[in-house]
Amino acid sequence: QVQLVESGGGVVQPGRSLTLSCAASGFIFSNYGMHWVRQAPGKGLEWVAVIWYDGSNKYYADSLEGRFTISRDNSKNTLYLQMNSLRAEDTAVYYCARYYYDSSVNDYWGQGTLVTVSS
Amino acid sequence: QSALTQPPSASGSPGQSVTISCTGTSSDVGGYNYVSWYQHHPGKAPKLMIYEVSKRPSGVPDRFSGSKSGNTASLTVSGLQAEDEADYYCSSYAGSNNPLGVFGTGTKVTVL
Repeated sequence: QVQLVESGGGVVQPGRSLTLSCAASGFIFSNYGMHWVRQAPGKGLEWVAVIWYDGSNKYYADSLEGRFTISRDNSKNTLYLQMNSLRAEDTAVYYCARYYYDSSVNDYWGQGTLVTVSS
Repeated sequence: QSALTQPPSASGSPGQSVTISCTGTSSDVGGYNYVSWYQHHPGKAPKLMIYEVSKRPSGVPDRFSGSKSGNTASLTVSGLQAEDEADYYCSSYAGSNNPLGVFGTGTKVTVL
């Protein structure tokens, strides 16, 4: 069965960096685009970034102002999110989600990893 | 890209129906038949309930149905059950110039 397991969250000081990982299993990872989505405390879901199945295209939310980088290693079935210059407003649960192109839908999601930016 | 507009809350008694609206523009909801609905229980992974406006993934009860008229999509939950209490989010494709798409603001469904 499809499984997505995020890791790498934790408490980090403002201005520091953190890298999240999403380990995928149960499907051919290299055939699917992948998203990162976040939910700040008390807020709704927000798209963070998407990467094409082969890593050829990447798109980011405007609000990130170029601080985050999405990447993937298809040989390791793993998705990454490098987060730099972290701010308090980046505090959120970060989810990875599989993207099914034909229906423009995220059909499977991980359970998320919490990132807390605080001094 | 502005978020799609959903009512903050909706409620119903067990066995009743509840309908949640999701209002966008002709650039997203009204322009494409790629509206999805997700159920989110706090602390758990969001779950896809409806895709392409009205299609149900395997395993989703037929109590959940979706529709669209113009720039507004709707999710109806019939025969409400206690486990349906959750947050629900709509999402829409918004064209090749906005590959991330757009989420709705979210609706908290309460089963009374």
